[in-house]
Amino acid sequence: GAVVSQHPSRVICKSGTSVKIECRSLDFQATTMFWYRQFPKKSLMLMATSNEGSKATYEQGVEKDKFLINHASLTLSTLTVTSAHPEDSSFYICSARLTGRAGELFFGEGSRLTVL
Amino acid sequence: GDSVTQMEGPVTLSEEACLTINCTYTATGYPSLFWYVQYPGEGLQLLLKATKADDKGSNKGFEATYRKETTSFHLEKGSVQVSDSAVYFCALPRVGGSQGNLIFGKGTKLSVKP
Repeated sequence: GAVVSQHPSRVICKSGTSVKIECRSLDFQATTMFWYRQFPKKSLMLMATSNEGSKATYEQGVEKDKFLINHASLTLSTLTVTSAHPEDSSFYICSARLTGRAGELFFGEGSRLTVL
Repeated sequence: GDSVTQMEGPVTLSEEACLTINCTYTATGYPSLFWYVQYPGEGLQLLLKATKADDKGSNKGFEATYRKETTSFHLEKGSVQVSDSAVYFCALPRVGGSQGNLIFGKGTKLSVKP
């Protein structure tokens, strides 16, 4: 089956620093990847849609300058949280869609960010 | 707008008990409906889906029937196992969003005790 891998799974950083999270599709090519944020006891919130070779599409209320998304290849998308603050602490999850299987997403393991 | 409502958890059951996790939705038209499962320490994975009204999705002993009359897609299993302990999410596609853009319920945590 299709495998999506995220790295790192856990990261702790100091306030004001930037953190990069990688999302890779290991055995398929993904022209589109999605980044979600999951709050405790709440649902996944779509942050942005990452498009290979073009700019990401951000959801309303998500700061594009704070959450930088780069989709430089068909198997890799990165999310960089810039100038992180404690309120950015969360679980970030990426997913990718296998072409031809509309609606079915394959998810990474998630990355837990803690900003001190 | 479209939305998904799941029963609040956590749900704690003994092994071999029956499980029902309620999910109702509000949507324009008749979208596909999904159940995703997130096992501890892992990413979400598709558990089952139904693409049209009256369809029944099934996998790993779980079932859910797409009922347009009640706008529901309840997840059921007749006999749960400890290995079913996970968080379960009901979802449907977001109208107007790119394919794969899903609206998720808040998730229901299931704990199965031996």
